[in-house]
This record gives sequence, structure tokens and C-alpha cells, in this order.
Amino acid sequence: AQTVTQSQPEMSVQEAETVTLSCTYDTSESDYYLFWYKQPPSRQMILVIRQEAYKQQNATENRFSVNFQKAAKSFSLKISDSQLGDAAMYFCAYRNPNNNDMRFGAGTRLTVKP
Amino acid sequence: DSGVTQTPKHLITATGQRVTLRCSPRSGDLSVYWYQQSLDQGLQFLIHYYNGEERAKGNILERFSAQQFPDLHSELNLSSLELGDSALYFCASSIGAAGDTQYFGPGTRLTVL
Repeated sequence: AQTVTQSQPEMSVQEAETVTLSCTYDTSESDYYLFWYKQPPSRQMILVIRQEAYKQQNATENRFSVNFQKAAKSFSLKISDSQLGDAAMYFCAYRNPNNNDMRFGAGTRLTVKP
Repeated sequence: DSGVTQTPKHLITATGQRVTLRCSPRSGDLSVYWYQQSLDQGLQFLIHYYNGEERAKGNILERFSAQQFPDLHSELNLSSLELGDSALYFCASSIGAAGDTQYFGPGTRLTVL
């Protein structure tokens, strides 16, 4: 079974600083997709970034980037120049395209200090 | 706004009752997914429909059922409700059925008293 582990229940960062959220996953598949979703207090799930396992290049979306280490099954999210609006729960997710199963980690609550 | 709509936004009901949650996917999306998020917990995948057909089942209880209609909207039916069913229920949609990005609706908050 594929599992997703986020080992940091809570993280804190100073405004304008950089923070990295960790995620590891377990799979025997070679082809899969990884995602980071943000859930602010409104509870809306918002896609932050997506990575295809077959791509070696790390995905980047503005201030958000990932460090994808396929061999280590690690998929961390780096937020640069943190803003107050970045405060939210962040969920790492794994999707197996063969069975359409999508698994989420338990989440990391990010606090941004002014 | 993701383009995925869910109704109702809030639902309060009693144990033993039955409720129906509704989801309309983004225009052009053929897949609909249902998730359950209990208080302060991650999301649990319930079920996936693609163009009217069930494609995958996750941790969905037998008391729960879903369907996707010809116009692609979907309904999640929850019956014999228990206190533990209180949660936020999300619907998500995607274009295809494989690794496409899923876009989430705003959720329906169900409270069972």
C-alpha cells in the first residue's frame, strides 16, 4: 500500500524567510504523481504544485519549489520569501495512475510570524 | 474559485438519518472524486467516477454510496448516519482518469447530532 508521511505536524517561519516542509512516501511503482495542496482556514483545498515522477527536473511555481528525490522517495516543498498568506495546513499527496488511488499525508500546519 | 461547486455548504442532521451531497465538476472535467476529512485530520479518499462509471473505491463505508449522472454531476449518499460521520466532505474533479490534477470544491460540512 502506498503511504504518505509528513513528519512535521507544525512548522513556523518568519515573514520573508524560507521554510521547507518534508514529505516521504512509500511505493513500488515507477510512474506516479506527487502534489502539494494548501488548506487555509477557509478549508478550501488549493493546489500548490505538482510533480510527475518521470521528470527529473524539480517543479517550480513562483515562490514554491520542490526537491524531488525519487530514489529516496522524498518530496519536500520549499517556500521562499514567506508571506502571511502562506499560513495554512499543507498536505502532500501521492497518486498512482494505475489504480487512481490518491493518498494524502496527515498535513503540516505552517505559521508565518510577522 | 476552482470551478467545482458543492451543495449544500453546511448540513446538520440526526443520527440514523440519510443525506445527499451534490457536486458539479469543472466544465469539461469527466472525473469526480469524493473525500472525507474528519476534524484536524488528512483526507481519506472515498470513491472515483469517470464519465459515469465507478473507477476506484477507497475507504468508503457500505452505508455510503455515490453515483455520477449523465450530465457529470455526482451525488454522495450517506445513510444510517453516526456521530463519527461528522466531517468535511470534499468533491474534486479532473479532466481525465489517470494522473491529472484534481481541483477541489469548497466542501460540505456535515454535522451529525
